[in-house]
Amino acid sequence: ILNVEQSPQSLHVQEGDSTNFTCSFPSSNFYALHWYRWETAKSPEALFVMTLNGDEKKKGRISATLNTKEGYSYLYIKGSQPEDSATYLCAFTIQGAQKLVFGQGTRLTINP
Amino acid sequence: ETGVTQTPRHLVMGMTNKKSLKCEQHLGHNAMYWYKQSAKKPLELMFVYNFKEQTENNSVPSRFSPECPNSSHLFLHLHTLQPEDSALYLCASSRWSSGGADEQFFGPGTRLTVL
Repeated sequence: ILNVEQSPQSLHVQEGDSTNFTCSFPSSNFYALHWYRWETAKSPEALFVMTLNGDEKKKGRISATLNTKEGYSYLYIKGSQPEDSATYLCAFTIQGAQKLVFGQGTRLTINP
Repeated sequence: ETGVTQTPRHLVMGMTNKKSLKCEQHLGHNAMYWYKQSAKKPLELMFVYNFKEQTENNSVPSRFSPECPNSSHLFLHLHTLQPEDSALYLCASSRWSSGGADEQFFGPGTRLTVL
C-alpha cells in the first residue's frame, strides 16, 4: 500500500517565525515528490516537484529538501507571513506511474 | 477565465438524479485528472486521461462515468450516487512530458452534496 504521511497535521506559528514540516513516503520505486499549497476557497497550487535525492528547491521564503533513500521531504518557511496560511500537501509518484498519492496535508496558520 | 475551470462550483443532487461535472483547461495540456476529496481524507485520484485516452481508473464505482472528448475538456457523469459520495471533486491538468514529475494545475473544484 502506498502511503504518504505528513506531520504535523496542523501548526500555529507567530508571524515572523520560521517553521518546517515533514512528508514521509515509501522509498522504493520512487519517481517524484510534489509539494502543493492550498489556500481556503482557492485551487491547490504547485510549489515544487523534486526527483533527485538531495534535491533542494527554493521559491522566495519557501524551500524544500528531498531524501529519497530514507523517504522524506521537508518544507521550510522562513519569516512566516499571514499570507502563508494554507494547507500544504505533499504527493509522490512511483516509477512508470502518473498517479499522485497525496498525504493528508499540514494546515498552517500564521498568527499576526 | 484562464487556467483550469470547473462548473458548477456547487451541486446538490438526489440519489436518483443524473448530473455532470465539467472541467476545461486553457493551458494546452495533454493530461487531465479527476480527484475526490472527502472530509478528513487525502485527495484521492479517480481517473487519468492522456491525449483523450483513459490511462488510470483508481477502482472507481461505475456510478461515476468520465468522458474526455478532447484534450481541453473533461466531464464526470454522475448517476445513482450515494450520500457518501458527497465530497469536493477537483479537476487537474498537466503537460504530460515527464509523466509523474509534471506539476499539476488544479481547478477550483465542485462541492457535491448527495441527499
